[in-house]
Amino acid sequence: GAVVSQHPSWVICKSGTSVKIECRSLDFQATTMFWYRQFPKQSLMLMATSNEGSKATYEQGVEKDKFLINHASLTLSTLTVTSAHPEDSSFYICSARARHYETGELFFGEGSRLTVL
Amino acid sequence: SQKIEQNSEALNIQEGKTATLTCNYTNYSPAYLQWYRQDPGRGPVFLLLIRENEKEKRKERLKVTFDTTLKQSLFHITASQPADSATYLCALDMESSYKLIFGSGTRLLVRP
Repeated sequence: GAVVSQHPSWVICKSGTSVKIECRSLDFQATTMFWYRQFPKQSLMLMATSNEGSKATYEQGVEKDKFLINHASLTLSTLTVTSAHPEDSSFYICSARARHYETGELFFGEGSRLTVL
Repeated sequence: SQKIEQNSEALNIQEGKTATLTCNYTNYSPAYLQWYRQDPGRGPVFLLLIRENEKEKRKERLKVTFDTTLKQSLFHITASQPADSATYLCALDMESSYKLIFGSGTRLLVRP
């Protein structure tokens, strides 16, 4: 099956610093990747759609200047949480569709747990 | 407003029984409906997809039904096992936007 790798799996940072999370599709090309955020015992909330070679599309209420997304290649998308604050602490998960899979399911990374002190 | 509703209460069943989880939605017209499994601290894993013109889909011990009139999907796990314990998420696939919108999930606990 298609594999999505996410790094780091967890990160602790001080308030005011920036944190970058990488999402890689290991064995397929992903023109589109999706970034989700999940608070404890809550659903996955779509933050943005990352498009290779173009600007990301952000969901309503998501600050694009705070959550910078870069999709520089067909296998890599990055999410940078800028000037992180404790309320940004959450579980961030990326996902991608594999073009050769007709069924259209999403393949998810293992998630990155961010804790901002 | 648009909503995807899954039972927030955990479903607690005895091993060997059939687990049935419900997903209801309002103000959506999805092309597909998908079910995922999520274990604590992990990313979701795809289980099944059902199209709007399909009534039922099966895969091993899993069965999904899709009623676009009722705007409801049922997810069944037959002969449940303790290893089936996890949170199960339904997701609506908006073909026009290629986005996947998730319900809040239902936690399933299978007792040995």
